[in-house]
Amino acid sequence: EIVLTQSPGTLSLSPGERATLSCRASQSVSSIYLAWYQKKPGQAPRLLIYGGSSRATGVPDRFSGSGSGTDFTLTISRLEPEDFAVYYCQQYGSSPPITFGQGTRLEIK
Amino acid sequence: EVQLVESGGDLVQPGGSLRLSCAASGFNFSDYAMHWVRQAPGKGLEFVSAISGNGIHTYFGNSVKGRFSISRDNSNYYLQMVNVRPADMAVYYCARDRGSGRYGWSAFDVWGQGTTVTVSS
Repeated sequence: EIVLTQSPGTLSLSPGERATLSCRASQSVSSIYLAWYQKKPGQAPRLLIYGGSSRATGVPDRFSGSGSGTDFTLTISRLEPEDFAVYYCQQYGSSPPITFGQGTRLEIK
Repeated sequence: EVQLVESGGDLVQPGGSLRLSCAASGFNFSDYAMHWVRQAPGKGLEFVSAISGNGIHTYFGNSVKGRFSISRDNSNYYLQMVNVRPADMAVYYCARDRGSGRYGWSAFDVWGQGTTVTVSS
């Protein structure tokens, strides 16, 4: 099973700042099998990025994904108040089980 | 409108059984794989199970393998839980795969609002 480790656990930033969230895999993952989700309390998760860098429908362009191999990044260029949430990376390769990272909490500083 | 609605969450005793349902609408069910994902209180997201659009391929997370099964009929699909454990207590979400699951899985682009399973004696 591929283990995804996200860092930091909590990120404290102010609106307007840039957020950089990391996801590290225990073994190499093709970027086409890497996604990012946003989760707010009481709401369903929301797909942000799939295929490593493709934005899902309706996702603002301030969200971007990058990376390869074992290191992947979600960047939010300029934080809006509605962006404060928990973010999860996910790998969904065909052979190993689908797994999620443990999440990064993005909180208002 | 594309929509997923879960139901069936309830209080269940350890060792008991429960069946969760997910009603899908607004898209051709057989064109998409479907998944169950759960979130235990205070924890992160955990993949539970998947089924391909044609119903042939299924997959389970290690923690539920051998205890949970997944099935579908028409525009509904189901998660059958047996020998339920306290660690199974969570909000269970159904989610649509971006693809059919015939050649592997993709990201989950549509999610339901979840149904709550409580495990207690």
